[in-house]
Amino acid sequence: QKEVEQNSGPLSVPEGAIASLNCTYSDRVSQSFFWYRQYSGKSPELIMSIYSNGDKEDGRFTAQLNKASQYVSLLIRDSQPSDSATYLCAVNSNSGYALNFGKGTSLLVTP
Amino acid sequence: EADIYQTPRYLVIGTGKKITLECSQTMGHDKMYWYQQDPGMELHLIHYSYGVNSTEKGDLSSESTVSRIRTEHFPLTLESARPSHTSQYLCASSVAYEQYFGPGTRLTVT
Repeated sequence: QKEVEQNSGPLSVPEGAIASLNCTYSDRVSQSFFWYRQYSGKSPELIMSIYSNGDKEDGRFTAQLNKASQYVSLLIRDSQPSDSATYLCAVNSNSGYALNFGKGTSLLVTP
Repeated sequence: EADIYQTPRYLVIGTGKKITLECSQTMGHDKMYWYQQDPGMELHLIHYSYGVNSTEKGDLSSESTVSRIRTEHFPLTLESARPSHTSQYLCASSVAYEQYFGPGTRLTVT
């Protein structure tokens, strides 16, 4: 079982809709969770971090964490075509400060 | 936003050449990382460092080597490039767990 699992997609949503991206992780003691956005041919960009159960909102982005169920999600409200990218979920590993990355979910927002 | 730089951005080089990919950051982060990523594929950690004179290999076996003589500088070296090394190489740095990435170096070995 991979340590961080994501549906590879593509997830297609119409412009203005809510995009919901999900991620599950295997290590129960993980404490730090991140979402990165990666445009094609570019490097990952950190967009959200979450450390406690519940929701964390930043503009159009909301990260949700449920440690009991071992999942973390990212909601993007009022999706725009510029949100079309691959979204990577990352979780702290059980050794040092390294992160375990999922394979990413490809999001396509159609006009 | 972290300031992290990688040079060159693109490199095409012949088999057998020695190459060094540069990575520098101006944030004073003590932790730095190298990842390898093929197009459309996941990130693989190949090297990391938690401070000067401290380097470790990551999960992905790599023929590259790294050094960390200064906090801000974390170069990656391939002694003899091969076509199998063709990939994108991403450098990142962090204070704790939040990693910030440089723009990457796209390496093509012919």
